Amino acid sequence: DAKTTQPNSMESNEEEPVHLPCNHSTISGTDYIHWYRQLPSQGPEYVIHGLTSNVNNRMASLAIAEDRKSSTLILHRATLRDAAVYYCTVSGGSNYKLTFGKGTLLTVNP
Amino acid sequence: EADIYQTPRYLVIGTGKKITLECSQTMGHDKMYWYQQDPGMELHLIHYSYGVNSTEKGDLSSESTVSRIRTEHFPLTLESARPSHTSQYLCASTRLTNTGELFFGEGSRLTVL
Repeated sequence: DAKTTQPNSMESNEEEPVHLPCNHSTISGTDYIHWYRQLPSQGPEYVIHGLTSNVNNRMASLAIAEDRKSSTLILHRATLRDAAVYYCTVSGGSNYKLTFGKGTLLTVNP
Repeated sequence: EADIYQTPRYLVIGTGKKITLECSQTMGHDKMYWYQQDPGMELHLIHYSYGVNSTEKGDLSSESTVSRIRTEHFPLTLESARPSHTSQYLCASTRLTNTGELFFGEGSRLTVL
């Protein structure tokens, strides 16, 4: 599985946009890019995923670089409830298993 | 809301005891996974299953074992618990696709004294 690199931590102010970067330079052509987040004392929850095109859902947007070697999760207006560890992971094909790195700890200031 | 349940949520036991962590999902998902996570650390895949009677070891070696006799049930067992097994264990499931959303349970936090 392709490895991912994310900053250890990021900080944002409430109601401001947040851009969380992820590098996945060894991604293969069939790998999807997935983002999950984990709130304190909970299991991870799905945020968004994509293959080549940018994706939007009610939680966030995913911007994927043209060469697919990096992506950015965009929270359009951060709230205090968005404070969590955000994981970027890549996987695909029939052998579907997601591996998670240390992720990015997002702190949201009031 | 995800229909995947883990019990117990918290367990404190002595060394040498046998324990089973339960994981059940009511979504009819074929694929199920067990992850291990220490506080502030990454999740490590320790077991996964693609269906009934299918189990595989994950990326991190674990002394635990799993079974998959029914689609909805994926228990994890430690025959003889040790302090080094102290950790949080997270169960997850997804449909049999290569892009499916992974649904996680709330986790079982195990402490071995």
